[in-house]
Amino acid sequence: ETVLTQSPATLSLSPGERAILSCRASQSVSKYLAWYQQKPGQAPRLLIYGASNRATGIPARFSGSGSGTDFTLTISSLEPEDFAVYYCQHRSDWPRYSFGPGTEVDMK
Amino acid sequence: QITLKESGPTLVKPTQTLTLTCSFSGFSLSTSGVAVGWIRQPPGKAPEWLAVIYWDGDKRYSPSLKSRLTIAKDTSKNQVVLTLTNMDPVDTATYYCAGSVDNWGYYFDYWGQGTLVTVSS
Repeated sequence: ETVLTQSPATLSLSPGERAILSCRASQSVSKYLAWYQQKPGQAPRLLIYGASNRATGIPARFSGSGSGTDFTLTISSLEPEDFAVYYCQHRSDWPRYSFGPGTEVDMK
Repeated sequence: QITLKESGPTLVKPTQTLTLTCSFSGFSLSTSGVAVGWIRQPPGKAPEWLAVIYWDGDKRYSPSLKSRLTIAKDTSKNQVVLTLTNMDPVDTATYYCAGSVDNWGYYFDYWGQGTLVTVSS
């Protein structure tokens, strides 16, 4: 079973600042990792898949990087609508899907 | 335009069976590479994957809940049904169905709005 951990649990930033979120896998997942954004009362929204590919309609300020066990989601300049919770997700070959515990980006 | 929508009871009693239906449009579950999954999220917690069904009929379940879960599809109706037996208050959560349309079942690119299911006597 691949366990995903995310850090930090909470990130307090101001609009315009850069956000860097981390996701670490307990074993190599190659590039099979996605990032989702979730706002209160809404379903998760796919942002990044395959570690670094933006999903349809996702602004260029969102970028993903990494491979193996260490991954990063970067928001280059936070907009007010970006304050939310972010989850990473992986599907194993079995297949089995796992989500990380999430990072909340809140407004300082 | 791709949409998914969950329907089912909002309140179930302990030991009862929960049956949820996902009705979707804008894609077909008979198209190669497409999958529909169910994910739940207890209040204030991370999403938890429950089950997935693929275009070819293959079904997979969360190992921790496998004995209680059944997923089935009705391709002609564009629906996927999930049943979860022996409900317990710890099963209280928002239940989402989600489609993997462009990612060969690796990620969920389209989600329903979710339905909150409360388990209480």
